[in-house]
Amino acid sequence: NAGVMQNPRHLVRRRGQEARLRCSPMKGHSHVYWYRQLPEEGLKFMVYLQKENIIDESGMPKERFSAEFPKEGPSILRIQQVVRGDSAAYFCASSPDHSGTGELFFGEGSRLTVL
Amino acid sequence: EDQVTQSPEALRLQEGESSSLNCSYTVSGLRGLFWYRQDPGKGPEFLFTLYSAGEEKEKERLKATLTKKESFLHITAPKPEDSATYLCAVGTDKLIFGTGTRLQVFP
Repeated sequence: NAGVMQNPRHLVRRRGQEARLRCSPMKGHSHVYWYRQLPEEGLKFMVYLQKENIIDESGMPKERFSAEFPKEGPSILRIQQVVRGDSAAYFCASSPDHSGTGELFFGEGSRLTVL
Repeated sequence: EDQVTQSPEALRLQEGESSSLNCSYTVSGLRGLFWYRQDPGKGPEFLFTLYSAGEEKEKERLKATLTKKESFLHITAPKPEDSATYLCAVGTDKLIFGTGTRLQVFP
């Protein structure tokens, strides 16, 4: 039973380019969460999605960031016109439901570096 | 606003030297307090969920406890493989994480 798969593991972009991060949840999981972790900071919630729906995007910057979880395929976190401050590790997590048990299964993260 | 504060930021222990990590929280309507372990370059790994004051959970050398204002993660006779960052989180409809305690255990 494969875990949460994230790719790419490392991504380098120049300022102004676009970054696309992909996340395939664990088999049978229909809830996906994206978190951002800056150096020496904690994990910050960005967005919570179910298939084809954004449930909570209260942690997403209003501009340049978007997320989707289509009916088929992985969840995508898209960052347009990246800036140096976007450099961080982006973690995806999944759960089978939203029962509030707090047991999220995390991927190994995608590390974005903006030059 | 929900907040989680962890202390100390970093902890160095000799192998076998027991200690405790602290997580204090302020939240409106606690639905659960969660502990995760994160190794360098990896994603967090779930350890425990605690729901109510007085509750305790154990796993190998780790024991988590909960009061109305804080949680402790007790590490008994740690080994070098326990070295990691330990994260505390509170959950409502999304998890709010603390900044973690970076634990190093030396042989």
